[in-house]
Amino acid sequence: ETGVTQTPRHLVMGMTNKKSLKCEQHLGHNAMYWYKQSAKKPLELMFVYNFKEQTENNSVPSRFSPECPNSSHLFLHLHTLQPEDSALYLCASSQTVAYNEQFFGPGTRLTVL
Amino acid sequence: DQQVKQNSPSLSVQEGRISILNCDYTNSMFDYFLWYKKYPAEGPTFLISISSIKDKNEDGRFTVFLNKSAKHLSLHIVPSQPGDSAVYFCAASSQGGSEKLVFGKGTKLTVNP
Repeated sequence: ETGVTQTPRHLVMGMTNKKSLKCEQHLGHNAMYWYKQSAKKPLELMFVYNFKEQTENNSVPSRFSPECPNSSHLFLHLHTLQPEDSALYLCASSQTVAYNEQFFGPGTRLTVL
Repeated sequence: DQQVKQNSPSLSVQEGRISILNCDYTNSMFDYFLWYKKYPAEGPTFLISISSIKDKNEDGRFTVFLNKSAKHLSLHIVPSQPGDSAVYFCAASSQGGSEKLVFGKGTKLTVNP
């Protein structure tokens, strides 16, 4: 595997479910990011991790819970989501926190019923 | 309120001709601009960037022009190829690109053979 991978690629869940999105980067980077892209809206930054420590939470509701166990892996735990949370969730990484040098994964298309 | 606007959701161009994608911004603190390209089922990939100290940056078939007084930038692709068909995102940052990116909604470019 190379670059940034995300699993699953597609996820359908009910509002009472608990699920997790996984991101893995194979680039030796130390910073990882979660972005959200809703339909007809711009890409929005959600969380930033640098050396496993969260450095930014962009006012994201607590039903989204990130976890970064090491510099290569990033999770987004989901619980009691709303239909409006349906979106494409993109993970990205960079050597350090450098927004202009990010590499993006392919994303997880999430549908909340 | 959107700080980065791509007012054309789509653009269709004939192969071999020039494609011009436009982007406007409102925040005068932005001083670093990027273009990303996104194919379906893939994450955005970095294409080209420009700092506000320049008004033009060129990389092969891709040229970005920046008009600071008009708060406008454009991406020119010459000549356009069918493989250029993708969604193009404009993004802006401040502090020389060290601040988080603010994205536009994207323009879907279709290059017809």
